[in-house]
Amino acid sequence: AQSVTQPDARVTVSEGASLQLRCKYSYFGTPYLFWYVQYPRQGLQLLLKYYPGDPVVQGVNGFEAEFSKSNSSFHLRKASVHWSDWAVYFCAVTSNSGTYQRFGTGTKLQVVP
Amino acid sequence: DMKVTQMPRYLIKRMGENVLLECGQDMSHETMYWYRQDPGLGLQLIYISYDVDSNSEGDIPKGYRVSRKKREHFSLILDSAKTNQTSVYFCASRNRETGNTLYFGEGSRLIVV
Repeated sequence: AQSVTQPDARVTVSEGASLQLRCKYSYFGTPYLFWYVQYPRQGLQLLLKYYPGDPVVQGVNGFEAEFSKSNSSFHLRKASVHWSDWAVYFCAVTSNSGTYQRFGTGTKLQVVP
Repeated sequence: DMKVTQMPRYLIKRMGENVLLECGQDMSHETMYWYRQDPGLGLQLIYISYDVDSNSEGDIPKGYRVSRKKREHFSLILDSAKTNQTSVYFCASRNRETGNTLYFGEGSRLIVV
């Protein structure tokens, strides 16, 4: 069965610094991968998604992620973090039918001055 | 504008009472979901609905049931609520045309006392 692991429950980054949030997936076959962001008291919103093709995908607000089949990973990156990026980030995996979407436990990003 | 609306946003119920959480979407998406979100557990899938009267259990269906009589509406019912059902519940709908992206409501915070 597909699953996602986000090993870091909380990450603290200085404003302007670079960011990497880790995601490891388990899936037999070709995975379809997503990163969502959740701001306080809101639902999740899509940041970016990966379908088989270019391993580096670009998302909104300067985020990007890189798919690695050999490492079973889909890490999220940003070159320069802004205070408004303070949120919880979820990685998700699904089959190509898209029916079952399973989420990781989330990583809470804190941005400090 | 694509929107998923959840009602009520906040609810306090006594143990043993019935709970009805409602979800609506204005996008004519076929597939809809109910998740619950708990600290440290991320999002857990309760039920999936593929269309009207076509529902399937997710990973944690025990204690819940669903109803979908119109494509736009998907309800989650708790018959005789339990304290361990205190959680934040999210409804989502799936857009196959944009690569299986999920659109989430803002959540319904349920407290069972």
